[in-house]
Amino acid sequence: EDKVVQSPLSLVVHEGDTVTLNCSYEVTNFRSLLWYKQEKKAPTFLFMLTSSGIEKKSGRLSSILDKKELFSILNITATQTGDSAIYLCAVWRGSEKLVFGKGTKLTVNP
Amino acid sequence: DAGITQSPRHKVTETGTPVTLRCHQTENHRYMYWYRQDPGHGLRLIHYSYGVKDTDKGEVSDGYSVSRSKTEDFLLTLESATSSQTSVYFCAISESPDYQPQHFGDGTRLSIL
Repeated sequence: EDKVVQSPLSLVVHEGDTVTLNCSYEVTNFRSLLWYKQEKKAPTFLFMLTSSGIEKKSGRLSSILDKKELFSILNITATQTGDSAIYLCAVWRGSEKLVFGKGTKLTVNP
Repeated sequence: DAGITQSPRHKVTETGTPVTLRCHQTENHRYMYWYRQDPGHGLRLIHYSYGVKDTDKGEVSDGYSVSRSKTEDFLLTLESATSSQTSVYFCAISESPDYQPQHFGDGTRLSIL
């Protein structure tokens, strides 16, 4: 059975801290791994990773994939209160199936 | 933002009544999806469509049906709603899921009493 496991489930930090969110997976026919940020409404797309070892960056956020060890991390540096959200990891395994983890709830306190 | 509109945004109804949720897109994307999101379960796929009149089941399809008669519209129907179908429902679209991410609508909060 396909599995995507995120850790920790929740995390509370202070503004300015750096955080690392983890995503491990066991999925047949892996094609890509995606990160989303969900505030009050729709999940919004952050990164799509298909190749191992290549870091993707967007401002203070970055992510990397390790296809050998079957995991990905999402780093957020110099956190701000606006980073408070649920971060979702999902694996695209083809056959139109995107398998989601349960998410990590990040709270950034001023 | 991807042009995705879900309607209604909120709905309260009674057990046993039929309910239809609508997803409308302006992006002309081929693929459309319906998910439900529940605490402790994350996002789970209900049904998806890979073209007009082409649909298939996801992992939690029991009790739901879908239709896609036009590229821009994907309807989710609960024929006889049950309390276990109380959830937040998200529609998503993708041009080419092997190469492009899915983009999500703002969701419909459905409560079945």
